[in-house]
Amino acid sequence: EAGVAQSPRYKIIEKRQSVAFWCNPISGHATLYWYQQILGQGPKLLIQFQNNGVVDDSQLPKDRFSAERLKGVDSTLKIQPAKLEDSAVYLCASSAAGGVSGLSSYEQYFGPGTRLTVT
Amino acid sequence: AQKVTQAQTEISVVEKEDVTLDCVYETRDTTYYLFWYKQPPSGELVFLIRRNSFDEQNEISGRYSWNFQKSTSSFNFTITASQVVDSAVYFCALSERNSGYALNFGKGTSLLVTP
Repeated sequence: EAGVAQSPRYKIIEKRQSVAFWCNPISGHATLYWYQQILGQGPKLLIQFQNNGVVDDSQLPKDRFSAERLKGVDSTLKIQPAKLEDSAVYLCASSAAGGVSGLSSYEQYFGPGTRLTVT
Repeated sequence: AQKVTQAQTEISVVEKEDVTLDCVYETRDTTYYLFWYKQPPSGELVFLIRRNSFDEQNEISGRYSWNFQKSTSSFNFTITASQVVDSAVYFCALSERNSGYALNFGKGTSLLVTP
């Protein structure tokens, strides 16, 4: 079974530029999460989708960050314009929650992440 | 407020020593899950264990064991006879029903095992 795919793996941009990240979850997973992990810290939830609807985006800086999950499958996360403090690893995760029932459906599987450096 | 506290920022042990990583959580939800993840230098998050709030049984998997105590809101992780390959950052995380089961991570404990 293919895991969560993310691209690009690395990105370097200058401040005030824009950038987009892509995530393809595990096939059939209804719930998709984007996390931000700043160096030396634990991942922090940015946004949670169930199918193509937003469940929680309370920690997403909406003045510069946007995310969409068209058709309830893959997702893109965009930053425009980027700031120095956006330098981090952006992790995508998916789970079967909201689709197949059962305890294991809440287990989240993580992609390899996109390391963003803003200079 | 931090919902998951990992008070140990860094731990250094010599190979074959036992080491315990502490995790204290805070929740008002009655249905929740607790997790441990390992993040080696390569960066990927590796799932280690999940426990639900209704099951306080301790668990052992090889050299790894977990102690879940609701009375003290703790979910500690012990590595027995540590090995160099155990060197990584370990994260404890809380997943609550009232938060759509998103993961709320602690700040992590960096474990260094030296030969």
